[in-house]
Amino acid sequence: GAGVSQTPSNKVTEKGKYVELRCDPISGHTALYWYRQSLGQGPEFLIYFQGTGAADDSGLPNDRFFAVRPEGSVSTLKIQRTERGDSAVYLCASSSNQAGRTGHTEAFFGQGTRLTVV
Amino acid sequence: GDSVTQMEGPVTLSEEAFLTINCTYTATGYPSLFWYVQYPGEGLQLLLKATKADDKGSNKGFEATYRKETTSFHLEKGSVQVSDSAVYFCALSGVLKLVFGQGTRLTINP
Repeated sequence: GAGVSQTPSNKVTEKGKYVELRCDPISGHTALYWYRQSLGQGPEFLIYFQGTGAADDSGLPNDRFFAVRPEGSVSTLKIQRTERGDSAVYLCASSSNQAGRTGHTEAFFGQGTRLTVV
Repeated sequence: GDSVTQMEGPVTLSEEAFLTINCTYTATGYPSLFWYVQYPGEGLQLLLKATKADDKGSNKGFEATYRKETTSFHLEKGSVQVSDSAVYFCALSGVLKLVFGQGTRLTINP
């Protein structure tokens, strides 16, 4: 597609349940990022993929959060045993940034998945 | 670690007013600097960027100059329009990722 696509756009789940959030990046973009945005805050970094590997997962808050990108394109963010504090908008972005380069090319963001844990 | 600090909002202006949204940063090395904008109901989109000191980024009448000596990247526009109402985020390119400020909500009244 022309842009970064995230599904679902909205997800309501019960506390304790497992959820998966999907991101389809722009075709050919090797770099993929997940961010979390709470109400009134800026996006908070979660994890960065270069190709299939997680180059930096330092932003994942705890071991309930996990993300994969098995073929270097689509990525899935997985949250186990969801808690009310996980409620936020989860943003995915992709760019043509190449590993090892300094600086940063433009990152293109999806519209996000709004997760509500009740 | 790397960080970005923006002026707190919300900011409310009348149409055709002059706009400044302050942004300062802390970073190792020489990051690129960005302003992203989030219009109501839409995703984050890049507004402008500057990749080295003294560069000026500009787009849609907005400008920001990369000031290394003051570690700042303030956003300005000479005459705002109602359609500029949005949330604005300053960001820098940290190691392998973008680091964002907390955002400034701008409302322009006709």
